[in-house]
Amino acid sequence: GAVVSQHPSWVICKSGTSVKIECRSLDFQATTMFWYRQFPKQSLMLMATSNEGSKATYEQGVEKDKFLINHASLTLSTLTVTSAHPEDSSFYICSARRLWREGHDTGELFFGEGSRLTVL
Amino acid sequence: EDKVVQSPLSLVVHEGDTVTLNCSYEVTNFRSLLWYKQEKKAPTFLFMLTSSGIEKKSGRLSSILDKKELFSILNITATQTGDSAVYLCAGGHYKLTFGKGTLLTVNP
Repeated sequence: GAVVSQHPSWVICKSGTSVKIECRSLDFQATTMFWYRQFPKQSLMLMATSNEGSKATYEQGVEKDKFLINHASLTLSTLTVTSAHPEDSSFYICSARRLWREGHDTGELFFGEGSRLTVL
Repeated sequence: EDKVVQSPLSLVVHEGDTVTLNCSYEVTNFRSLLWYKQEKKAPTFLFMLTSSGIEKKSGRLSSILDKKELFSILNITATQTGDSAVYLCAGGHYKLTFGKGTLLTVNP
């Protein structure tokens, strides 16, 4: 099956620093990737939709200057948490939408393993 | 605002029991309803349902969608301890709205 790799899986940083999380589709091209945030015992909350070659679309309430998203290629999207604070501590998960060669959209999402961010 | 509601929020059963998990949705631009199983890390895909009334099966798991009543169910028969997980359903098209999940605990 399709594989999405997310790195790092676990990161601890000091308050005020920036952290970059990478999301790669390893065996397929993904023009669209999604970034979610999950608090303990809560569901996945969509933060933003990342489109290759264009600006990300952020959900209401998500600060675009705080959560910088770059989708520079068909296989890589990055989320940078800038000036991190303890309240940014959370589990961040990306997903990638697979397109077939003919452009047919399967509608199926493949998830990365997630990145647990702890801000001290 | 799009909404996906799952019930029950948690469920404890014994091995061998059959369980039914519920998911109702109110989603604009709806195309499909997806079920995921989440253990310690990222969700793993179970089913994608786009047509009403057609049951999808995978081993002991099955699921069906009712687009008229806007709900889906996930059935697990002969449960095993390895089925213990959070089961998430999500509805939408390009963007998915997730429910809060059902925490299933299967005791030996």
